[in-house]
Amino acid sequence: KNEVEQSPQNLTAQEGEFITINCSYSVGISALHWLQQHPGGGIVSLFMLSSGKKKHGRLIATINIQEKHSSLHITASHPRDSAVYICAVPYNTDKLIFGTGTRLQVFP
Amino acid sequence: ETGVTQTPRHLVMGMTNKKSLKCEQHLGHNAMYWYKQSAKKPLELMFVYNFKEQTENNSVPSRFSPECPNSSHLFLHLHTLQPEDSALYLCASSVPGQLLMNTEAFFGQGTRLTVV
Repeated sequence: KNEVEQSPQNLTAQEGEFITINCSYSVGISALHWLQQHPGGGIVSLFMLSSGKKKHGRLIATINIQEKHSSLHITASHPRDSAVYICAVPYNTDKLIFGTGTRLQVFP
Repeated sequence: ETGVTQTPRHLVMGMTNKKSLKCEQHLGHNAMYWYKQSAKKPLELMFVYNFKEQTENNSVPSRFSPECPNSSHLFLHLHTLQPEDSALYLCASSVPGQLLMNTEAFFGQGTRLTVV
């Protein structure tokens, strides 16, 4: 069992829909990262959060440290949001444990 | 554009070839990482360099040989690879020892390696 679990593994949506991706982890953490990987392979950091909620444009990330759970929400989804979304948690100063990712496809 | 550049983007090599992957960053970071991403698996950490010194080797086979000549450049030398080594190899950089402290890791675009 992976120490970082994401659900769903695959997600299909129509443009405009509200999207939620979940991440649960079993290790103690001080922060959690949400990353976006486009089909070309490059990874971009979306959020890093240790409590509460953060918002960047149409993206919202929340975390509940006690429940060891984080969610990434996308409002008014768009085809350009199609990507793999990965959550990752640090378990020491130099290591990140990654989830397997959620593949999102948004159709027009 | 994350500030971390990897070359080449794609590489096809035979099992007897020797090739190298290159990673470069000018973000002022002193920690650099190699990750492997195989199909349907989470990213796996391979190596960590802090201030040009290797601080982590995650039980990587010796056919993968990293080199960090300075804090801005990281190489992964490949020789006698196997088909199962085909994967996306990603480089990342960060402020050393700060991943627990709300510091981002910056990733390159990756090199898609196919071993034939």
